[in-house]
Amino acid sequence: EPEVTQTPSHQVTQMGQEVILRCVPISNHLYFYWYRQILGQKVEFLVSFYNNEISEKSEIFDDQFSVERPDGSNFTLKIRSTKLEDSAMYFCASSETKGDEKLFFGSGTQLSVL
Amino acid sequence: EDQVTQSPEALRLQEGESSSLNCSYTVSGLRGLFWYRQDPGKGPEFLFTLYSAGEEKEKERLKATLTKKESFLHITAPKPEDSATYLCAVRSSASKIIFGSGTRLSIRP
Repeated sequence: EPEVTQTPSHQVTQMGQEVILRCVPISNHLYFYWYRQILGQKVEFLVSFYNNEISEKSEIFDDQFSVERPDGSNFTLKIRSTKLEDSAMYFCASSETKGDEKLFFGSGTQLSVL
Repeated sequence: EDQVTQSPEALRLQEGESSSLNCSYTVSGLRGLFWYRQDPGKGPEFLFTLYSAGEEKEKERLKATLTKKESFLHITAPKPEDSATYLCAVRSSASKIIFGSGTRLSIRP
């Protein structure tokens, strides 16, 4: 079965450093998402992306965050200057169509900011 | 503001002991209510979508139902492998799904 792949599975960084989290969505999917889950808390929407632009973003997704689809297969989330409170599990997801009932999630990248 | 509230936070059952998980929601115009399963250290895995009150969906030991304000995930004769966190979510807009905090279900053999 096709799956969403995320790398790395764990990322440790120092506060103030830039990180890039990478995702390879399912190949025929057109809509891409980033969610995050702070330990013990709910899965929170960050951003949705379609046709090389952001469709919607949450209030969490401030100027420190950016997304890109650099080469037609990868989908990346960049955090420019990490803060302690950015420590979380970050999930990438994709869907075939807009408003699709089924989002496919990757296994996540655990980001630890020290 | 759209909101999803799940209860209980945690539920421990004996193998074979049936029960229900609750999801109450507030959304301006329901465009889909979803149930996902999440195993530790993994991303959510899609289970069901419900669109209108009275709708029901079934998969193995799970059955999801929907009313105008709530959804229930009924689990019948659960097995230890059903242990997971069950997440309820609603479509808040065409490009955004928001999740509840989940119910951690633990099934003892």
